[in-house]
Amino acid sequence: GAVVSQHPSRVICKSGTSVKIECRSLDFQATTMFWYRQFPKQSLMLMATSNEGSKATYEQGVEKDKFLINHASLTLSTLTVTSAHPEDSSFYICSASGGAEAFFGQGTRLTVV
Amino acid sequence: GEDVEQSLFLSVREGDSSVINCTYTDSSSTYLYWYKQEPGAGLQLLTYIFSNMDMKQDQRLTVLLNKKDKHLSLRIADTQTGDSAIYFCAELGHGGSQGNLIFGKGTKLSVKP
Repeated sequence: GAVVSQHPSRVICKSGTSVKIECRSLDFQATTMFWYRQFPKQSLMLMATSNEGSKATYEQGVEKDKFLINHASLTLSTLTVTSAHPEDSSFYICSASGGAEAFFGQGTRLTVV
Repeated sequence: GEDVEQSLFLSVREGDSSVINCTYTDSSSTYLYWYKQEPGAGLQLLTYIFSNMDMKQDQRLTVLLNKKDKHLSLRIADTQTGDSAIYFCAELGHGGSQGNLIFGKGTKLSVKP
């Protein structure tokens, strides 16, 4: 199956700093990428949907100025958590789709201290 | 490590029942989930089951859990063309005190009229 690489897998940062998470489709062109967040012991929550070359569509309640999403190419999307706070600590996972199917990255565990 | 496996394709006729199967490896999983993804859309949580339950029914959906065999299934009664989608099985795996979702690769359900 297709491969989606997400990096880094774990990151610890200080409160107030920004963190960038990358999601790459390694062997296919991803026209759409999805970013999810998982709260502790809870299910996944869709944060935003991004289509290559256009602005991301954010779900209700997700701050677009805080969670910056860039989908500049067909193989790369980035999520930047700006001015991170401890409450942003979570598991973030991307999903890339080139058509009807979508493939998941490995996820990123973000801890803000 | 933790792994979730499911068959990639399933084809049924409209009105029949669909059964999507999933196996997982982490015997300490507390929650198991079924997600649906329609073409071009993000994940939609369909249902979940707590590990101390054997069965959960929600309208046309029935989830069966065999914890001994680490086998999870999703039955869709009276399958409709609108049920055509990719169905992902996921388990809440280990990840320190928080836990991460581990996804299968998805089963593509095709419903023929």
